[in-house]
Amino acid sequence: NAGVTQTPKFQVLKTGQSMTLQCAQDMNHEYMSWYRQDPGMGLRLIHYSVGAGITDQGEVPNGYNVSRSTTEDFPLRLLSAAPSQTSVYFCASTMAGGLITEAFFGQGTRLTVV
Amino acid sequence: DAKTTQPNSMESNEEEPVHLPCNHSTISGTDYIHWYRQLPSQGPEYVIHGLTSNVNNRMASLAIAEDRKSSTLILHRATLRDAAVYYCFHSGNTGKLIFGQGTTLQVKP
Repeated sequence: NAGVTQTPKFQVLKTGQSMTLQCAQDMNHEYMSWYRQDPGMGLRLIHYSVGAGITDQGEVPNGYNVSRSTTEDFPLRLLSAAPSQTSVYFCASTMAGGLITEAFFGQGTRLTVV
Repeated sequence: DAKTTQPNSMESNEEEPVHLPCNHSTISGTDYIHWYRQLPSQGPEYVIHGLTSNVNNRMASLAIAEDRKSSTLILHRATLRDAAVYYCFHSGNTGKLIFGQGTTLQVKP
């Protein structure tokens, strides 16, 4: 199994540009999440989804949009990139059903906004 | 949101046991306690989780206090490969996993 796949691995954007970070999982997990990690800091939850068609905000949702049209995919959209969004972005998925067990993370997307 | 407290950093010698503490001040009765670690330049990886009883797996042991307000991750014999940032948190079945700041573990040869 591929697990959680994030694309691209690296991206440079100009201020004001928009883009979509892709996240796909092949484990039929219901729960998926997006995090950002700034240098030397912990992970902060941006948005999460408990199933197709259902999303909710995390700790730092401003400037980001998500949608969940399928179980497998959970893209993160930057509407108008700002230098403050320079960070490493991680996507995670976990199985639901009465218990949160092991969450699987992608390898991350390193985003630089200039 | 869930609140945990961990020391910023800890040191250990190779092949010695390591006890990483975590305080779960806002834990509720149905929340599970989770531990993850993040190696340099990688995404976080699952270590262990538990509810009330102590738990063991091939990576580590988890000791949970009787009142569940604290937990301790135990690495029985630290190796250089265990040098990482260790995160603890607690969560119910909401899909909302909030990480704390983590403990940076240094392992000295």
